[in-house]
Amino acid sequence: KAGVTQTPRYLIKTRGQQVTLSCSPISGHRSVSWYQQTPGQGLQFLFEYFSETQRNKGNFPGRFSGRQFSNSRSEMNVSTLELGDSALYLCASMRVLSGQGRDEQYFGPGTRLTVT
Amino acid sequence: TQLLEQSPQFLSIQEGENLTVYCNSSSVFSSLQWYRQEPGEGPVLLVTVVTGGEVKKLKRLTFQFGDARKDSSLHITAAQPGDTGLYLCAGAPQGGSEKLVFGKGMKLTVNP
Repeated sequence: KAGVTQTPRYLIKTRGQQVTLSCSPISGHRSVSWYQQTPGQGLQFLFEYFSETQRNKGNFPGRFSGRQFSNSRSEMNVSTLELGDSALYLCASMRVLSGQGRDEQYFGPGTRLTVT
Repeated sequence: TQLLEQSPQFLSIQEGENLTVYCNSSSVFSSLQWYRQEPGEGPVLLVTVVTGGEVKKLKRLTFQFGDARKDSSLHITAAQPGDTGLYLCAGAPQGGSEKLVFGKGMKLTVNP
């Protein structure tokens, strides 16, 4: 079974630009979560999508947004990029078994975003 | 706000030594997961513990979930350079729909 895939793996943007990152979950997984990871702050939760609906959201400004498609693939968008947005952006997918609480979460390799 | 505190945050040891990483919270979790992450890559799931008092072994790694399901530990026996990485614990809040709570991680360096 293929793992979680993220594209692109590396990206360099300049301040003020916008960026869209893509995530394809493991087949059969309906939940996709996005995280930002930096050396200083660690892993910070951005948002989670389940069945095309955002069901959890972290404490990030509105410049960070996401969506999920009917095939569970997800995209996240960051508008008006700032230098502080430079980070590793990780996507994780999960099955979500009804009535059994949270299932295990599997991460993709991440997209390394550098803002100059 | 639920928090998971990991200790130590950094550890540099010689090959062959043993170590223990702790993950503590004042909150109860329905399950707890441990991940290892190498530089530039995503975290890789090592194990999930679900039952209070549960002990799981994965080769030289031993994971334990506290009886009250508020804390967990990871013990590595005879560490090897290949064990180098960032070890993260993540707790699943009771209820099912809440997001995972991650600790800040323990950066382990095993020197040959």
